[in-house]
Amino acid sequence: QLQLQESGPGLVKPSETLSLTCTVSGGSISSSSYYWGWIRQPPGKGLEWIGSIYYSGSTYYNPSLKSRVTISVDTSKNQFSLKLSSVTAADTAVYYCARLGTIGVHLDYWGQGTLVTVSS
Amino acid sequence: DIQMTQSPSSLSASVGDRVTITCQASQDISNYLNWYQQKPGKAPKLLIYDASNLETGVPSRFSGSGSGTDFTFTISSLQPEDIATYYCQQYDNLPALTFGGGTKVEIK
Repeated sequence: QLQLQESGPGLVKPSETLSLTCTVSGGSISSSSYYWGWIRQPPGKGLEWIGSIYYSGSTYYNPSLKSRVTISVDTSKNQFSLKLSSVTAADTAVYYCARLGTIGVHLDYWGQGTLVTVSS
Repeated sequence: DIQMTQSPSSLSASVGDRVTITCQASQDISNYLNWYQQKPGKAPKLLIYDASNLETGVPSRFSGSGSGTDFTFTISSLQPEDIATYYCQQYDNLPALTFGGGTKVEIK
């Protein structure tokens, strides 16, 4: 059974960089059949796609966040990571990692989510 | 960018009621639409993919329809365990995704 698990600091100071890692177990991140994505959800609000990465390293970002986002993949560790720079309180959210199919194009496996609070 | 307008933002219905949620795309997205259920404190769960296909293991009281710009999600007989927020999500410009604003479903 595929599992995804987010990890990283739960508290980040304003203007600093938020860094999260998603560890994939029970399957290979190097499959050509999937993208791997980050989605966030501010408290009490809806879902926002941040970006996606393919095992080859090709990335796709939400235009509204593109200038601040970097997503990378480490196939040797079966992990992919998110960096969001120059954070403000508006970046406080639960951050989810998820798997997105390239043929069956839906988010079928999700991590449990991790709350990141931006505060001094 | 493709915008997804979901309505209503919330609804209250009785157990056994038929519940309908709509999602409208700002441009033609064919059938490139999925529906998710999110319960409090949990990650979203895929219910319907490609507008009308029921994900394995999802009860048959859930259904989806539509194509182009207008889509509908239906719960044929609302159950207490269906209390959640439901989101539509388009993938016309894969792998970029857009979610609707969500519909919170409550029991009357």
